[in-house]
Amino acid sequence: DTGVSQNPRHKITKRGQNVTFRCDPISEHNRLYWYRQTLGQGPEFLTYFQNEAQLEKSRLLSDRFSAERPKGSFSTLEIQRTEQGDSAMYLCASSLAGLGPREQYFGPGTRLTVT
Amino acid sequence: DAKTTQPPSMDCAEGRAANLPCNHSTISGNEYVYWYRQIHSQGPQYIIHGLKNNETNEMASLIITEDRKSSTLILPHATLRDTAVYYCIVRPDLGAGGTSYGKLTFGQGTILTVHP
Repeated sequence: DTGVSQNPRHKITKRGQNVTFRCDPISEHNRLYWYRQTLGQGPEFLTYFQNEAQLEKSRLLSDRFSAERPKGSFSTLEIQRTEQGDSAMYLCASSLAGLGPREQYFGPGTRLTVT
Repeated sequence: DAKTTQPPSMDCAEGRAANLPCNHSTISGNEYVYWYRQIHSQGPQYIIHGLKNNETNEMASLIITEDRKSSTLILPHATLRDTAVYYCIVRPDLGAGGTSYGKLTFGQGTILTVHP
């Protein structure tokens, strides 16, 4: 399968702990996006990378959140000192670079539960 | 990005066409209409997009009104596996300049339930 993959698929952690999620985009895709989705809501944009450069961050991305894409391939999203409000599905998507309409391909998501 | 309005839920009988409406009255000239769907516990899946003309692919058809203020996604022969939340999204062309990097702004979507 050459789609977007995310690991782990599920993560249960205690409040105050740090967690890290990984996203492997489709190999030729330069653009990578992170979104967060809470129950009953549509996904909300968190941050965007073009190759290794983080070009946009949402105000939702507090100081406790950090994302990297060190070699322009896979990306990690770390949440420090987790809070119960961080419980959500974290989705990664990738797309080709360039002008014109570019559809995004989403991974299956990582479901985080903070107890 | 322009805002979209969709009905919260719709029902459809299996085998019949499902017609999902979307209003985007503030759409601007360089904004595309995209449709995604999300089956329970999965990531969103791209369906189709269009600018002015009607579009068709193997999954669905997209009908955009001449004034571009509304559109309809058509699933011609709905199956039980089409039960999902359907999102209509308006997004600028990535070549439009400014700081548009192609992020998607999802609303609440339409919950489509296909019945046997």
